Amino acid sequence: RKEVEQDPGPFNVPEGATVAFNCTYSNSASQSFFWYRQDCRKEPKLLMSVYSSGNEDGRFTAQLNRASQYISLLIRDSKLSDSATYLCVVKYSGAGSYQLTFGKGTKLSVIP
Amino acid sequence: DAGVIQSPRHEVTEMGQEVTLRCKPISGHDYLFWYRQTMMRGLELLIYFNNNVPIDDSGMPEDRFSAKMPNASFSTLKIQPSEPRDSAVYFCASRGGRGSGSYNEQFFGPGTRLTVL
Repeated sequence: RKEVEQDPGPFNVPEGATVAFNCTYSNSASQSFFWYRQDCRKEPKLLMSVYSSGNEDGRFTAQLNRASQYISLLIRDSKLSDSATYLCVVKYSGAGSYQLTFGKGTKLSVIP
Repeated sequence: DAGVIQSPRHEVTEMGQEVTLRCKPISGHDYLFWYRQTMMRGLELLIYFNNNVPIDDSGMPEDRFSAKMPNASFSTLKIQPSEPRDSAVYFCASRGGRGSGSYNEQFFGPGTRLTVL
């Protein structure tokens, strides 16, 4: 059973479009949530944390629904440079252990 | 800061050979993580260290894999003997401890792309 599930895509959208990615997680004891971005053949990098009340960073908006164990990322006014794979990440802590669990990612291609 | 440094960036080897991957975390970071990424399985945590001590190695696939962290600035991941199914990108990541500005963010190195023929 996969702990963090994402639609793999690809999502092909025109410049200027709004696109939304969804993610579900299975462990209700999850504590923290993040979106990472990974460019082709590069390492993952933190895009933004996801807070319970929802949060926004420029064109990016993240939402969390703990009851449904669901996380989303909305990108407005898509740019060519947004083309990447977006990884949903969940942090579990407990029994002295800490780790991030990554979804397999959703690939976004923004086309001119 | 130079960020997390990994070497080699690419490794091509033959089945049965020993492979050693190296990582230098960001200076001052208390935690170091080794991940493996494949198309089929995505990014998987293999092992992580806190203050040079292995904390959770439940992700290490089998005894052929071993990891060490002899000091705060160096870690190795060794595969012996290597097999074709070990082909993947191996990432090292580090983060700071509680009270540091980077407690919730893991910084990844550029990865080592391993091909086992």
